[in-house]
Amino acid sequence: AQSVAQPEDQVNVAEGNPLTVKCTYSVSGNPYLFWYVQYPNRGLQFLLKYITGDNLVKGSYGFEAEFNKSQTSFHLKKPSALVSDSALYFCAVRDSLTGGGNKLTFGTGTQLKVEL
Amino acid sequence: KAGVTQTPRYLIKTRGQQVTLSCSPISGHRSVSWYQQTPGQGLQFLFEYFSETQRNKGNFPGRFSGRQFSNSRSEMNVSTLELGDSALYLCASSLAGGAPSYEQYFGPGTRLTVT
Repeated sequence: AQSVAQPEDQVNVAEGNPLTVKCTYSVSGNPYLFWYVQYPNRGLQFLLKYITGDNLVKGSYGFEAEFNKSQTSFHLKKPSALVSDSALYFCAVRDSLTGGGNKLTFGTGTQLKVEL
Repeated sequence: KAGVTQTPRYLIKTRGQQVTLSCSPISGHRSVSWYQQTPGQGLQFLFEYFSETQRNKGNFPGRFSGRQFSNSRSEMNVSTLELGDSALYLCASSLAGGAPSYEQYFGPGTRLTVT
């Protein structure tokens, strides 16, 4: 079975400061990991993914994420937060052993609030 | 390239009725997945279709069903609506169903309210 945990319901950060949104996962095989962002009354927007290779992946809008296999984590980061980054962030995982298909398991989401 | 479109965007139904939601994937995408989003349960996978065949199914009752047409457009149907079915229903499309590395692109969702 595949699962994802986002331990923080909300993260507050001042504009210009670095931000981190945490995610840990559990899979039986190899993980395929994704980050999505959701703005109010909108669908989910894809930010970045880790499939294999370099542990640091770069994505849209200056976001990046670090894959750590020993800690089963995939934390989302940004060096300098913007007020416009305020939104709901979801981590998602797919287990390589679940066979074909695109079933994603999502975390519960972390509300990011960036203040002036 | 146009994104994933979902119709209608908002829907109000009465308990016991049925509803059909529609999703048009990004051109060239053959995999379509459906998710239910509620404040209490978060994002939950409903089912996935690829080449008109259901490939994966989540843990939802049989009242929830779907189908995919030859042009990859998909519909989901919920029969005998219950108050708990009130949710945002999201459709997502992906380039290929057999390659898990492909990310999914989501539509804006259909907000279903059951009264």
